[in-house]
Parts: sequence; C-alpha cells; structure tokens
Amino acid sequence: DADVTQTPRNRITKTGKRIMLECSQTKGHDRMYWYRQDPGLGLRLIYYSFDVKDINKGEISDGYSVSRQAQAKFSLSLESAIPNQTALYFCATSEGNYNEQFFGPGTRLTVL
Amino acid sequence: RKEVEQDPGPFNVPEGATVAFNCTYSNSASQSFFWYRQDCRKEPKLLMSVYSSGNEDGRFTAQLNRASQYISLLIRDSKLSDSATYLCAVNGFSGGYNKLIFGAGTRLAVHP
Repeated sequence: DADVTQTPRNRITKTGKRIMLECSQTKGHDRMYWYRQDPGLGLRLIYYSFDVKDINKGEISDGYSVSRQAQAKFSLSLESAIPNQTALYFCATSEGNYNEQFFGPGTRLTVL
Repeated sequence: RKEVEQDPGPFNVPEGATVAFNCTYSNSASQSFFWYRQDCRKEPKLLMSVYSSGNEDGRFTAQLNRASQYISLLIRDSKLSDSATYLCAVNGFSGGYNKLIFGAGTRLAVHP
C-alpha cells in the first residue's frame, strides 16, 4: 500500500463550487505539505503543517484553506473554485530538519 | 532571481550517452539538497539526496558545489527509461521554518 494517498485522484468541478482534497499518510511523519504544479512553473507551496497545531501559509495560499485533522491527515479546501485553480495538486510528508519529502500520487483538478 | 533555477531543456540524447544537469540556488545558508525524478503526470519521486562529498548510486552521480552554489546530476549510460523530468530541491530556512524549494525541472528525452 502507498505511504501517502490522495483522494480524489481526478476531479472536474464548476466555478464557485467548494472542493476538498484529502491526504492521508502511514509514514508517521509530523510534517505535511500541499503543493500545486502548473506547466512551466514547477511545484509551488500552498500550505504546510509541522504538527497538528501548527499550520502555515506557503507562497500561494490565497483562495485555499487547510485542516490538519490528525497527524496522518491533511486536507486542502477551495472555498469557491475558480478556473485558474486548475492544476495538479500534490500532498507531501517529511520528518526532521533534513526535509526529505515524499509525495502522494496527486489530484488532477479541473475548474470549468 | 529565482531561489532555485534549472535549465528546462529538453535534453535529447541517444541511449548510452552521458548527460549532466545543473541546478543553481540563491540561499547560501541552504543545508540539504535533493534530486527528484518526475514522470509525466505522476508524483515526484526522490532519486538522490546530495551530500557535501558527492554521492553515487549506480549510473547516477550527484555533486554539490557550495562555493558556486549549484548541485549537479550526472547520468551515465542513459536508458530509454531515464526519460523524465528531473527536479532539484534545496532546503533552507525562511520565516522561521525550513522549507524545500523546487526548481521547475529539466526534461530529459532518451532516444534509441
């Protein structure tokens, strides 16, 4: 079984809809991250959490919110989806300051 | 200037060729460095961590040059299966937390 899982794997939605992407991990890592990837722009950090009580904004947090329900679960919400949020979204985990990160399989989101 | 920069490529090489990628970073305080491999529409997978003395794993060699602030990845005897995008990642402190900053990736295409 995969160490980091994401659901859904693909989602098509309409402008203005609320969307939640979920991430679960069995690696036992404290740190979890949400990234989005757009062609030519690489991975950009949306939010990160170093433990259940610690949530921090990344470089592109506007329009997104997160919830760390447990050490193993970190969800990303788009309160009112817009077309320029169409992207590939990855969850990742890490442990310790060395920060070697491990990624989930990604969620492909299309906002029409 | 971007914090982490890579030549986007593509690098088109024949099977058996040796190819090298460089990645420059701007934060001289960066402590750890990584190369990831990403196949089309898949998640990044950790290929190698980059140690100060350089390290080798089979056909892959990674090196760090702190004075010039770049890391490199050398692939010897290229295989068709090496075709992918290679992301470098640099760990550094920002806003009180250590964060992994990714380059936009270098695309490699190995042809028969």
